[in-house]
Amino acid sequence: SQQGEEDPQALSIQEGENATMNCSYKTSINNLQWYRQNSGRGLVHLILIRSNEREKHSGRLRVTLDTSKKSSSLLITASRAADTASYFCATLPGAGSYQLTFGKGTKLSVIP
Amino acid sequence: KAGVTQTPRYLIKTRGQQVTLSCSPISGHRSVSWYQQTPGQGLQFLFEYFSETQRNKGNFPGRFSGRQFSNSRSEMNVSTLELGDSALYLCASSLAGGIDEQYFGPGTRLTVT
Repeated sequence: SQQGEEDPQALSIQEGENATMNCSYKTSINNLQWYRQNSGRGLVHLILIRSNEREKHSGRLRVTLDTSKKSSSLLITASRAADTASYFCATLPGAGSYQLTFGKGTKLSVIP
Repeated sequence: KAGVTQTPRYLIKTRGQQVTLSCSPISGHRSVSWYQQTPGQGLQFLFEYFSETQRNKGNFPGRFSGRQFSNSRSEMNVSTLELGDSALYLCASSLAGGIDEQYFGPGTRLTVT
């Protein structure tokens, strides 16, 4: 079963615009991770945010986590055509589980 | 540092046969996880191994099994293949499992006819 659910399912923007994707989950988590998948580079880790963190940055990426709402968002600023990919959130439950559960992803298209 | 490698990259099998997929993790990584990816179900967790021990198993039938060797290399086996087993099988390695970022291999594309 999917723990994380991304929204929207698909997103199309112009190059240079910002893209925001959201992830909601159901149970308490140890951490939440964002991954990108495109045909050229496979599945690549972007950012890991732990349950006691609220915001993390990496280059043009910004991730926020709201554990009270059980939701996270990924913001990509000044998007490029190379950002075209599917983006997935993955959650690791608390309580000693090692099972990462992925959502179904947001398909982002950046139009040059 | 070499990335995660998976062999074979592509495989075509017939219903009822069995298949073994291999994954070599990044050097120093002791955790290997396996996922099945299909257009309908997305990425689904199969199992995770750490130092030769299976720590978690996903909701898959017993036809799916795996193991990890002392050098951290891992194999997964699917017996009595069904058409629905056609998928991209991905393995990921990490230092300690889901608490760390996962490094994914390119996957094995399995087609069952």
